[in-house]
Amino acid sequence: GAGVSQTPSNKVTEKGKYVELRCDPISGHTALYWYRQSLGQGPEFLIYFQGTGAADDSGLPNDRFFAVRPEGSVSTLKIQRTERGDSAVYLCASSLTGPWSNTGELFFGEGSRLTVL
Amino acid sequence: DAKTTQPPSMDCAEGRAANLPCNHSTISGNEYVYWYRQIHSQGPQYIIHGLKNNETNEMASLIITEDRKSSTLILPHATLRDTAVYYCIVVSNNAGNMLTFGGGTRLMVKP
Repeated sequence: GAGVSQTPSNKVTEKGKYVELRCDPISGHTALYWYRQSLGQGPEFLIYFQGTGAADDSGLPNDRFFAVRPEGSVSTLKIQRTERGDSAVYLCASSLTGPWSNTGELFFGEGSRLTVL
Repeated sequence: DAKTTQPPSMDCAEGRAANLPCNHSTISGNEYVYWYRQIHSQGPQYIIHGLKNNETNEMASLIITEDRKSSTLILPHATLRDTAVYYCIVVSNNAGNMLTFGGGTRLMVKP
């Protein structure tokens, strides 16, 4: 399909383990975003890439969280030493351009649900 | 970015218009009003956005007051598939498309 693809759709892990979540953006989209959504709340911004570089990582909660986008397309969100509080749906989005264009439309994937036991 | 205030939940009868309000009294001149919705177990979906003028597309209409301190999203003929959480977001034109989601309005369309 032509949409944003996220894998895995579900991930169950144990406390202390390492986790990688993958995002395939829409082809040609230069901007890529990671959000985290806890149950009953709106999505919370984590990090934004423009091309290969992280233009804004102010939303990453601590140094256990890291994201890369080495070739300016696929991105991987990496979580070290997972904690139960990391359990959430991790959403990826992409947009055609960035920084700002007034089309402003972000295309979201369906998310990766992470459960830390 | 300006903060928005939305009612936590609303009901609407199927086939009737759903009018979802949003207050953004601290909006500044370069900030756009965006609406997204999130159907259960899916990612958010863009609906519409505007700056000053009212806007309409195939999904909805957006009415922005003249002072821009509030807006209303209108779904003209709500269907059961419109049941979702609707987010009103204000974004400045130098924020790199960084959307900040609040709690949104949970719209329940009832038969």
